[in-house]
Amino acid sequence: GAGVSQSPRYKVAKRGQDVALRCDPISGHVSLFWYQQALGQGPEFLTYFQNEAQLDKSGLPSDRFFAERPEGSVSTLKIQRTQQEDSAVYLCASSSNPTGLGEQYFGPGTRLTVT
Amino acid sequence: AQSVSQHNHHVILSEAASLELGCNYSYGGTVNLFWYVQYPGQHLQLLLKYFSGDPLVKGIKGFEAEFIKSKFSFNLRKPSVQWSDTAEYFCAVKLIDSSYKLIFGSGTRLLVRP
Repeated sequence: GAGVSQSPRYKVAKRGQDVALRCDPISGHVSLFWYQQALGQGPEFLTYFQNEAQLDKSGLPSDRFFAERPEGSVSTLKIQRTQQEDSAVYLCASSSNPTGLGEQYFGPGTRLTVT
Repeated sequence: AQSVSQHNHHVILSEAASLELGCNYSYGGTVNLFWYVQYPGQHLQLLLKYFSGDPLVKGIKGFEAEFIKSKFSFNLRKPSVQWSDTAEYFCAVKLIDSSYKLIFGSGTRLLVRP
């Protein structure tokens, strides 16, 4: 079946621009996660949704980062007034487990480059 | 803060050599443990996981890992690597507490020479 998809796959933004990154999880998956992966590092947790409820946003690095999942399926990660340090790969993962445990299925990521 | 350490950032092996990648975590409570792999040009995928029970877990493609609670370790092993095992390997820990996040190590790039 279809896996997690993300769009766009690549995004170049000028410093100060706003960007929106989309994640389509596996159909029926309750849990959705966003991660940020800087070059040469492992993914770092940003936020977690259980259906449409954002239960954990402790990893969002600043108030310029905002995520939503209004209907409990597709999610959007928005970054306002992008900065060079925002350049990274943004990964989305989904899971059928409603408690956040269990296997997470990852998408291909969106590579954001801020110039 | 809780963290996951992967000791080797780059490993180069010849085919048929044995592999062991180290992973240590810092957390005194209950954890779930994972190894993820990212092959060139592909996305992260699960290699194996430990939740409870037998501390020696077997995953796909002949990989296994051993959870040693006293050492806070979850090392990945394969007796004989293949060229197709060339990839980046990430250890990850899920704390069984009120948080939801996976904590990843910084990864180990494995290159297997034919």
